[in-house]
Amino acid sequence: QLQLQESGPGLVKPSETPSLTCTVSGGSISRSHYYWGWIRQPPGKGLEWIGSIYYSGSAYYNPSLESRATISVDTSTNQFSLKLRSVTVADTALYYCARSRDMAIFPLDYWGQGTLVTVSS
Amino acid sequence: DFQMTQSPSSLSASVGDRVTITCRASQGFNTYLAWYQLKPGKVPKLLIYDAYILQSGVPSRFSGSGSGTDFSLTISSLQPEDVATYYCHKYNSAPFTFGPGTKVDIK
Repeated sequence: QLQLQESGPGLVKPSETPSLTCTVSGGSISRSHYYWGWIRQPPGKGLEWIGSIYYSGSAYYNPSLESRATISVDTSTNQFSLKLRSVTVADTALYYCARSRDMAIFPLDYWGQGTLVTVSS
Repeated sequence: DFQMTQSPSSLSASVGDRVTITCRASQGFNTYLAWYQLKPGKVPKLLIYDAYILQSGVPSRFSGSGSGTDFSLTISSLQPEDVATYYCHKYNSAPFTFGPGTKVDIK
């Protein structure tokens, strides 16, 4: 059974660049056709897709966050990561990682439980 | 800009009631629409994809329909474990977009 587990710093200060990691177990992150993505949910708000990456390193981003987000993949550890530059309080959110087959025309079929990132001075 | 709306934003219904949530897109697209169930502290769950296909393991009281700009999720007989927030999701092309969510409660 595929499982995804997010980890992150919890509390960060404004202007910092937190790094979040998603560890994939029960399956290989290098499996062909599968993309690995990040989605976030600010408190009391809806879901926002941040971006997705293929095991080769090809990444796609939401234009609203493209200038500040970098997603990377480490096939040796079966993990992928998100770095978000220059965070503000508006970046406070529950950050989920998830999997989809292909970059489009397939839904997000496996998700992690989420990791809360709070931006506060 | 592409927008998705959901209605109602919240609802309260009795156990056994039939519940329908709608999702409307600002522009038509094909049927690459999914519905997810989110509960606090739990892993989000894919319920329906391609507008009407039930994900494996999801109870048959959940069903989806629609195409173009209007889609719906129906729970034929609401159960206590269905208390959650439900989101629609367009995935035909990036950037992927979610609806604002519908919170479902038991009356």
